[in-house]
Amino acid sequence: DAGVTQSPTHLIKTRGQQVTLRCSPKSGHDTVSWYQQALGQGPQFIFQYYEEEERQRGNFPDRFSGHQFPNYSSELNVNALLLGDSALYLCASSGQDTYEQYFGPGTRLTVT
Amino acid sequence: AQTVTQSQPEMSVQEAETVTLSCTYDTSENNYYLFWYKQPPSRQMILVIRQEAYKQQNATENRFSVNFQKAAKSFSLKISDSQLGDTAMYFCAFMSNSGGSNYKLTFGKGTLLTVNP
Repeated sequence: DAGVTQSPTHLIKTRGQQVTLRCSPKSGHDTVSWYQQALGQGPQFIFQYYEEEERQRGNFPDRFSGHQFPNYSSELNVNALLLGDSALYLCASSGQDTYEQYFGPGTRLTVT
Repeated sequence: AQTVTQSQPEMSVQEAETVTLSCTYDTSENNYYLFWYKQPPSRQMILVIRQEAYKQQNATENRFSVNFQKAAKSFSLKISDSQLGDTAMYFCAFMSNSGGSNYKLTFGKGTLLTVNP
């Protein structure tokens, strides 16, 4: 049973560029949440997708957007990258009958 | 808005001993869930233990147990018989179970636990 997977593992981008991160949920899960974890901090909630729609959003600017596909996988897009966007981006999945969120290994984004 | 506070940035313990990590939270809600997650150097966030606020009995998972004090809004994690593999960052997290807020986790800043041989 595959857990949550994310790609790529690492990414280096230049300020002002755009980036897309990908996530596949755990088998049987239909909900995907994205979190940003700055160095030395706890994860911060970005948004959650369910039934291909954004269900809830944290305190992040519109530069952060997402998408969920019919197979429940999800993408996180960040436009006009800033140096402060450098962080570990975590994807978590959950199912309809469970409140527990299971995390992927994360994507380390470095903006130079 | 809910907040989660972990007052111990770092802790260390000798192998086979017991250690307790502290967590307090602030909420006006009555229905919620609390979690402890472990993040080793590999970065993978792993769920250690969960507690439903409506349950008075403290949750236990093998060597891990919690002391949930709802009135005091305290949720500490006890690790018994510490093992070298327990070395990791530990995060306390809160999730509301009311209305439209029962989707996101709010994390503390974490406690770095080192188990020494």
